[in-house]
Amino acid sequence: DTAVSQTPKYLVTQMGNDKSIKCEQNLGHDTMYWYKQDSKKFLKIMFSYNNKELIINETVPNRFSPKSPDKAHLNLHINSLELGDSAVYFCASSQEYDEQFFGPGTRLTVL
Amino acid sequence: GQNIDQPTEMTATEGAIVQINCTYQTSGFNGLFWYQQHAGEAPTFLSYNVLDGLEEKGRFSSFLSRSKGYSYLLLKELQMKDSASYLCAGDNYGQNFVFGPGTRLSVLP
Repeated sequence: DTAVSQTPKYLVTQMGNDKSIKCEQNLGHDTMYWYKQDSKKFLKIMFSYNNKELIINETVPNRFSPKSPDKAHLNLHINSLELGDSAVYFCASSQEYDEQFFGPGTRLTVL
Repeated sequence: GQNIDQPTEMTATEGAIVQINCTYQTSGFNGLFWYQQHAGEAPTFLSYNVLDGLEEKGRFSSFLSRSKGYSYLLLKELQMKDSASYLCAGDNYGQNFVFGPGTRLSVLP
């Protein structure tokens, strides 16, 4: 059983396109996160959702929007993709603010 | 501020002990996490310190001094599979998580 899953694993797309990355957790956790890890391997938090409420919103461009249809899902939608959006995006979940369980990552390449 | 600093790279020998340091500005953090990340994989949780002192978990131990803004991860009896990046992360009472740049550890035979 996969605890935190993301799809797709790889995403290659053209500049200007709109894309979504899906995330699901089956751990019953109440908090989910999205992180971006760039080529220098810095892991930076983008968003988190606790009980369907956005509680962290870092200074990311508003082209990025998280969508949570229920407690087990937190999807990331990106509009008008730019070259600088190329990175690995990790979804994670935790129970309150305990240890986070990360998904396998989605490697996004914008051409 | 909540900057976190770690050495970029470290090298150690199989069977040895290595200490990876993490320093941070003292304002805002409730506790400190350590995560391990192998190349091309997701980070995995190692430890969380919220109280000062040393917490031991098998071959891995983590130390925190809140007043000094200092933590370290101690790895004993190093194995080749311990070659990975080690990420220190501050927890701002659940309002934010700030990760350090990570320390890439290479274990040599």
